[in-house]
Amino acid sequence: DIQMTQSPSTLSASVGDRVTITCRASQSISSWLAWYQQKPGKAPNLLIYKASSLEGGVPSRFSGSGSGTEFTLTISSLQPDDFATYYCQQYNSYFRTFGQGTKVEIK
Amino acid sequence: EVQLLESGGGLVQPGGSLRLSCAASGFTFGGYAMSWVRQAPGKGLEWVSTMSGSATTTYYADSVKGRFTISRDNSQNTLYLQMNSLRAEDTALYYCAKREGTSGWYFAFDVWGQGTMVTVSS
Repeated sequence: DIQMTQSPSTLSASVGDRVTITCRASQSISSWLAWYQQKPGKAPNLLIYKASSLEGGVPSRFSGSGSGTEFTLTISSLQPDDFATYYCQQYNSYFRTFGQGTKVEIK
Repeated sequence: EVQLLESGGGLVQPGGSLRLSCAASGFTFGGYAMSWVRQAPGKGLEWVSTMSGSATTTYYADSVKGRFTISRDNSQNTLYLQMNSLRAEDTALYYCAKREGTSGWYFAFDVWGQGTMVTVSS
């Protein structure tokens, strides 16, 4: 199976900060990577697919980049609604795998 | 509005069985691959299984292969997950999820249900 590793596991930031989360794949996954946001008690919400395509309705402060084995999710100016846990997920393989998650906390 | 509504969760003893359902609405259900993803309490997301829209192709995570069976009834717009030989480590919130896009096998999950909780304990 393809292993997905996110860093950091926890991130403390302030409103207005630029935030970057990294996701690394154990082998090349081309651009078949998605990012999800999950808030406590809620289902995950798709933010980015195909590494850099913004899902409809998602604010433009979210962006994704990367290909191969290294990917990033960037929030250009952190808003109060963005404090949540973020997961990357590869779908290059029939056997989908998620990263372990990055919790974005209020500093 | 596209909606997914899971049901069927509950408390079951180790070795027992449970069948989860996911009722879909707001889209042409048979045209989309559907998946189950679970989340153990306080833990991350784990993909469980995916079935194609035509029900001809299925994939399972190693952790559930041979014990869980995914199926669907396109006439009833419903996805199922039959879970047998349940273990304590299967305790989780089970989500069903719809694929984004319409063709190929490369897809993220663009719509999720609210989840149904499965607890395996004696």
